[in-house]
Amino acid sequence: GAVVSQHPSWVICKSGTSVKIECRSLDFQATTMFWYRQFPKQSLMLMATSNEGSKATYEQGVEKDKFLINHASLTLSTLTVTSAHPEDSSFYICIGTSRTDTQYFGPGTRLTVL
Amino acid sequence: AQSVAQPEDQVNVAEGNPLTVKCTYSVSGNPYLFWYVQYPNRGLQFLLKYITGDNLVKGSYGFEAEFNKSQTSFHLKKPSALVSDSALYFCAVRAPRGGYNKLIFGAGTRLAVHP
Repeated sequence: GAVVSQHPSWVICKSGTSVKIECRSLDFQATTMFWYRQFPKQSLMLMATSNEGSKATYEQGVEKDKFLINHASLTLSTLTVTSAHPEDSSFYICIGTSRTDTQYFGPGTRLTVL
Repeated sequence: AQSVAQPEDQVNVAEGNPLTVKCTYSVSGNPYLFWYVQYPNRGLQFLLKYITGDNLVKGSYGFEAEFNKSQTSFHLKKPSALVSDSALYFCAVRAPRGGYNKLIFGAGTRLAVHP
């Protein structure tokens, strides 16, 4: 059945490095991909919305040059956290929307920046 | 603008008792409403949704929710709580298709079921 996979499921990196998170839709085409982050004991906050083949739309307060989103195909979207800092440590979740307007959640990626 | 409010940070209930987790929303037009559950260090799991039709929606694990348009509420309920229901619960709202269909989540309510 249709699912969304995320890779890696967890990552630890040093401050100043860049980290790429992949989100793949399996058995469906994700026309829209939403990227959320969740700080400990907090809710999910929408970071950006991406449509295949076009630039992502970022929410207010989210730096587009720091959080690079690429949605090059209908089955793959990537989020790159550039020059990561400890305050970027969070749980990142992608949600893919199919052509039938059904939304599928990725399992999340836990990023820890030392 | 869309918004969701979960007025309770935590709900405590004894095992076997009924539980209610509250949610109110604000959205233009007819809303799509969702409940999700999150266990520690895990992603979100879908419980149930309301799009149209019967105001009482039944979902996974014995949960149900009632859509009340006049009160703009979508409270989550279960007749008899289990200790294993202890988790973080999120209510979410979405504008109907054709609009900007992003999900807006409430702050979350931690449910603690005591033996």
